[in-house]
Amino acid sequence: DTGVSQDPRHKITKRGQNVTFRCDPISEHNRLYWYRQTLGQGPEFLTYFQNEAQLEKSRLLSDRFSAERPKGSFSTLEIQRTEQGDSAMYLCASSYHRGVADTQYFGPGTRLTVL
Amino acid sequence: AQKVTQAQTEISVVEKEDVTLDCVYETRDTTYYLFWYKQPPSGELVFLIRRNSFDEQNEISGRYSWNFQKSTSSFNFTITASQVVDSAVYFCALIMNNNAGNMLTFGGGTRLMVKP
Repeated sequence: DTGVSQDPRHKITKRGQNVTFRCDPISEHNRLYWYRQTLGQGPEFLTYFQNEAQLEKSRLLSDRFSAERPKGSFSTLEIQRTEQGDSAMYLCASSYHRGVADTQYFGPGTRLTVL
Repeated sequence: AQKVTQAQTEISVVEKEDVTLDCVYETRDTTYYLFWYKQPPSGELVFLIRRNSFDEQNEISGRYSWNFQKSTSSFNFTITASQVVDSAVYFCALIMNNNAGNMLTFGGGTRLMVKP
């Protein structure tokens, strides 16, 4: 049983470039979440999907951030026109939704550095 | 609004010592869910435990134990006979019952360093 995987693990980019991260959830999980973690802080929620539907996106940090989960399996998080303040760890989690408060299982994260 | 506070930013102990990590939460809900995660240097958050607000029994799992006290809004985590492999950042987190998205609210984390 494989866990949540994320690709790439590290990304270095120049300010103004676009970046895209991929997350593959645990296979039977119907919910997928994105979080951002800055140095020395706890993760903060960005968005989540149930199957292919994006049910919450108001906490995406700006309109430069967008996420998709086109077939209800893997998901991508894109940041357009990156800024130095976007440098952080981007974490993906998945869960099987049975009711309230699913347990979320996290991937290893993608560490983004914007120069 | 909900909030999780981990007042201890960093703790250093010597191997085999017991150590307690504190977690205090705020929520207006009467039903809520509390979690602990471990983040080793590799970066992946590892799930440790989940506790429902209506179940105040303490729990023990090997060297790990958790003390949940609704009266003080605390959910503390104790590692008995700590080992070097326990070195990590530990996060306490909360989900409120009316949170349809199951969004986790995390505390700031406690960095535990276990020295040999």
